[in-house]
Amino acid sequence: GAVVSQHPSWVICKSGTSVKIECRSLDFQATTMFWYRQFPKQSLMLMATSNEGSKATYEQGVEKDKFLINHASLTLSTLTVTSAHPEDSSFYICSAPKERFGDQEGYTFGSGTRLTVV
Amino acid sequence: AQTVTQSQPEMSVQEAETVTLSCTYDTSESDYYLFWYKQPPSRQMILVIRQEAYKQQNATENRFSVNFQKAAKSFSLKISDSQLGDAAMYFCAYRSTPWNQGGKLIFGQGTELSVKP
Repeated sequence: GAVVSQHPSWVICKSGTSVKIECRSLDFQATTMFWYRQFPKQSLMLMATSNEGSKATYEQGVEKDKFLINHASLTLSTLTVTSAHPEDSSFYICSAPKERFGDQEGYTFGSGTRLTVV
Repeated sequence: AQTVTQSQPEMSVQEAETVTLSCTYDTSESDYYLFWYKQPPSRQMILVIRQEAYKQQNATENRFSVNFQKAAKSFSLKISDSQLGDAAMYFCAYRSTPWNQGGKLIFGQGTELSVKP
């Protein structure tokens, strides 16, 4: 249980276009979703925390206008990379805490999205 | 702010042998959770083991065990009887409690483990 489905798994887009990444909680309600960015051979860097029905909280140095996060429902959180440039190419991962299952220590991760901007 | 440090970018172990991955962290909190996550080439994050700071007993999960030294702020992972499938990137992570701290995970830099047949 507690599965987060992330789509697309990979996407190639042209520079200047926008790309939307979706994370859906399939069998639970995700009031919170964490969005991470990961470069090859590096750690997961938290970009922002989204909470259902409210504005996302962005980490220092993350451009709010470039990385738009929407968490309009308890089962869907989206990350839109606007006006993408080659330096936005990276691996993006979403994660939701599993506290609603009485397990307050765990997290479930999406399978990630590899974004390549050409 | 909390920080997590993994000082071994790469480690190698012979199949069936034992390897220990190091992790240290810095926090002023007394209650928190620590995790080890595995990220294989598929890049799907997999929970290996977790430890509650208030528990003195070290967590174990089959071939995986931790050495939790709270005073030293150290949280190492021991993998016994290493298998080829253990080859992956391993991340140590910290989470504050309670949830009003945001519940976010703070990850270390990662250790890439290779297993030699």
